[in-house]
Amino acid sequence: EAGVTQFPSHSVIEKGQTVTLRCDPISGHDNLYWYRRVMGKEIKFLLHFVKESKQDESGMPNNRFLAERTGGTYSTLKVQPAELEDSGVYFCASSQAQRRTEAFFGQGTRLTVV
Amino acid sequence: AQSVAQPEDQVNVAEGNPLTVKCTYSVSGNPYLFWYVQYPNRGLQFLLKYITGDNLVKGSYGFEAEFNKSQTSFHLKKPSALVSDSALYFCAVRDVRGDSSYKLIFGSGTRLLVRP
Repeated sequence: EAGVTQFPSHSVIEKGQTVTLRCDPISGHDNLYWYRRVMGKEIKFLLHFVKESKQDESGMPNNRFLAERTGGTYSTLKVQPAELEDSGVYFCASSQAQRRTEAFFGQGTRLTVV
Repeated sequence: AQSVAQPEDQVNVAEGNPLTVKCTYSVSGNPYLFWYVQYPNRGLQFLLKYITGDNLVKGSYGFEAEFNKSQTSFHLKKPSALVSDSALYFCAVRDVRGDSSYKLIFGSGTRLLVRP
């Protein structure tokens, strides 16, 4: 069974440009999450989808970030326009429906804004 | 507010010796607790979790963790460390209350270095 897949693995963009990150969850997982780790600090929650609906987006830092999950399958996270402080590693994770189940993470996308 | 503390940035241990990576948490309800490991250039891998029941839980690669409700701790342990255990370890908590989010709250991570 394929795990959570993220693309690209690395992205270097200039300040003010747009970047779109993609996540393909494990097949059959209704829950999809985005997290990020900035400057070696703790991993912070961004948002949570249940199928195609945003269940919790309390961690989204500002309106430059837009997440979508069309059809309840893969998800995209767009940053527009990117700022220097957006640099970090963006992780996607997915899990089955029950709250007690563990989340499985992708390998992450390392975003560098210069 | 929910939080997780990993008080040690780095833990150094000799191969063959026991290891402990510490984690304490603060949640308003009862917690679900998780440990994840990140090897270089890899994503987070699930190690083990505590949901309910026996306070000692066993996970992958010979790791185990002990849930201590009175001390609000969930320390990760292994009886005999391997050089290949060297990695970054994250403790995480999820609130079990029905109306709360599924989000995980992570600690800042502890780098484990096992020397030969």
